[in-house]
Amino acid sequence: DTAVSQTPKYLVTQMGNDKSIKCEQNLGHDTMYWYKQDSKKFLKIMFSYNNKELIINETVPNRFSPKSPDKAHLNLHINSLELGDSAVYFCASSDSFPPQGKPQHFGDGTRLSIL
Amino acid sequence: AQKITQTQPGMFVQEKEAVTLDCTYDTSDQSYGLFWYKQPSSGEMIFLIYQGSYDEQNATEGRYSLNFQKARKSANLVISASQLGDSAMYFCAMREGMNYGQNFVFGPGTRLSVLP
Repeated sequence: DTAVSQTPKYLVTQMGNDKSIKCEQNLGHDTMYWYKQDSKKFLKIMFSYNNKELIINETVPNRFSPKSPDKAHLNLHINSLELGDSAVYFCASSDSFPPQGKPQHFGDGTRLSIL
Repeated sequence: AQKITQTQPGMFVQEKEAVTLDCTYDTSDQSYGLFWYKQPSSGEMIFLIYQGSYDEQNATEGRYSLNFQKARKSANLVISASQLGDSAMYFCAMREGMNYGQNFVFGPGTRLSVLP
């Protein structure tokens, strides 16, 4: 009965490779997010999708490309991985309306390590 | 400018005592929501408690309560009767406005250590 699941949990790869992280939610939420958590634990939003439409696109290198095939899925593809991409990436989802009282539900995170 | 400030990078508390984790926020919206999340060492993000800007009562959820002072723009988390399992990072977050496009903004977090 996992609510937000992301795969893989760990990803170790070499600089220059391309990799994808998948995220699925079974909560019926209409909004999904990708966050990056750095080594100092700071959480920064990268993207937000509402009903498959891109809503928020923060200043993120265009090597990062999100894709939302439907409102239950939001995948993250990263091209030409760099050392600075090493971080934990969290997927999250929430209801958009009314927004105030609706928390985000997070996946367990994907720890990406670039060698 | 930081929208969410958590001034305590680290806090210690004795088991069974209460602890307050500080959070101040900055917004010009009248309608907003404030959230607290817990991140244990295992890494998952756990939603703890929510306070709406129009709520007149402070939110409570079990041992967690939120000390909401709107004029001061503060939303401090109070954990009563601390347990060893409360040791974790705690994040304060805000969602502004009624626009579904508004994202959640997180503070830098406070690392709480509960001592036996």
